[in-house]
Amino acid sequence: NAGVTQTPKFQVLKTGQSMTLQCAQDMNHNSMYWYRQDPGMGLRLIYYSASEGTTDKGEVPNGYNVSRLNKREFSLRLESAAPSQTSVYFCASSVLEGPNQPQHFGDGTRLSIL
Amino acid sequence: AQSVTQPDIHITVSEGASLELRCNYSYGATPYLFWYVQSPGQGLQLLLKYFSGDTLVQGIKGFEAEFKRSQSSFNLRKPSVHWSDAAEYFCAVGGPSGGSYIPTFGRGTSLIVHP
Repeated sequence: NAGVTQTPKFQVLKTGQSMTLQCAQDMNHNSMYWYRQDPGMGLRLIYYSASEGTTDKGEVPNGYNVSRLNKREFSLRLESAAPSQTSVYFCASSVLEGPNQPQHFGDGTRLSIL
Repeated sequence: AQSVTQPDIHITVSEGASLELRCNYSYGATPYLFWYVQSPGQGLQLLLKYFSGDTLVQGIKGFEAEFKRSQSSFNLRKPSVHWSDAAEYFCAVGGPSGGSYIPTFGRGTSLIVHP
């Protein structure tokens, strides 16, 4: 049972480089999410996709773009990476968007920007 | 908009001792409440959830949590901690916020277990 798969697991970038983080889920979930986790800050929502074909901004969207490629896949793109984007990025999915929806998380992508 | 506070950044307990992790929420109506655990190097895993009904809910790994409306709290408990419980614990509350209904996460409590 793969669940939510994120690639790559680790990445080092130079300032100004671009990168796409990939996420795929095999649970037939409708909703998908991208979070970043920083020490002492908990999880902050970057973007989410309530259903295939829709995307919306979360709490900290600046500097990121997303694509909901199909029902399974939801990618996060950094167009011009900045050191402030050094973080651990988590993708999650849920059956539906809603306040009562538990989320299933991938194992994260650890991204360092020099 | 809902918000959630985990007052303790770190908690240290001895193996075999009891555990209580605090979570306080702010929300006008009855919230949807969750506890997640994050083991080192991994993603978050759902421990338990509360939607309605019995205010004491049981979860996986021997954890339980009690919803107390009068105190706006949803504290996580375990009667006897094992070394493998060392992890980061996140409380989350679901309700409308900024036009979405996605649960909001607390900042987490890091549990350290001494042998």
